[in-house]
Amino acid sequence: NAGVTQTPKFQVLKTGQSMTLQCAQDMNHEYMSWYRQDPGMGLRLIHYSVGAGITDQGEVPNGYNVSRSTTEDFPLRLLSAAPSQTSVYFCASSPDRVRVQYFGPGTRLTVT
Amino acid sequence: RKEVEQDPGPFNVPEGATVAFNCTYSNSASQSFFWYRQDCRKEPKLLMSVYSSGNEDGRFTAQLNRASQYISLLIRDSKLSDSATYLCVVNRPLTGFQKLVFGTGTRLLVSP
Repeated sequence: NAGVTQTPKFQVLKTGQSMTLQCAQDMNHEYMSWYRQDPGMGLRLIHYSVGAGITDQGEVPNGYNVSRSTTEDFPLRLLSAAPSQTSVYFCASSPDRVRVQYFGPGTRLTVT
Repeated sequence: RKEVEQDPGPFNVPEGATVAFNCTYSNSASQSFFWYRQDCRKEPKLLMSVYSSGNEDGRFTAQLNRASQYISLLIRDSKLSDSATYLCVVNRPLTGFQKLVFGTGTRLLVSP
């Protein structure tokens, strides 16, 4: 099993550009989430999904969209990048709502 | 007040030392508690869950004090490879998806 994979590993965007961060898992987990991690702050939940076709907002959803058309994939879209979105983004999956989350390796995004 | 608070450290200890970290949480209804480990520029990984009766995994011991709303992690016989940031994680009780609240982490540096 590859576990949770994320692409790209690094990305630099200009303000106003859009892009999609990819996340895939091969563990057949129903629950998937996106977090961002900023210096001096804990990981913050952006969006999450409890199954294919079902998504919901986390703590900091503004500026991001998600969709979940398959169990395996959970892409995160930045609609119009802003410098405030410079961060490290982690995707995670979990087999159910109470168990541990497995994180992908992260995407380091810089918006200039 | 933050939902999960940790001393950021760093804790500098020599190899072989015993070191303890504490974490406090604000939501008395929280029911799931974890310690994650995060190496520099890597994703968080589960170190151990924390149970009410306390639990041990090799050199690591976790304790939960519900009355005082704090969680502790004790590391005995520290190794160089224990150098990392330790994240205290608590669930925010909700029906449906389990939302995890991450502390900002305590950094541990183990020196020869």
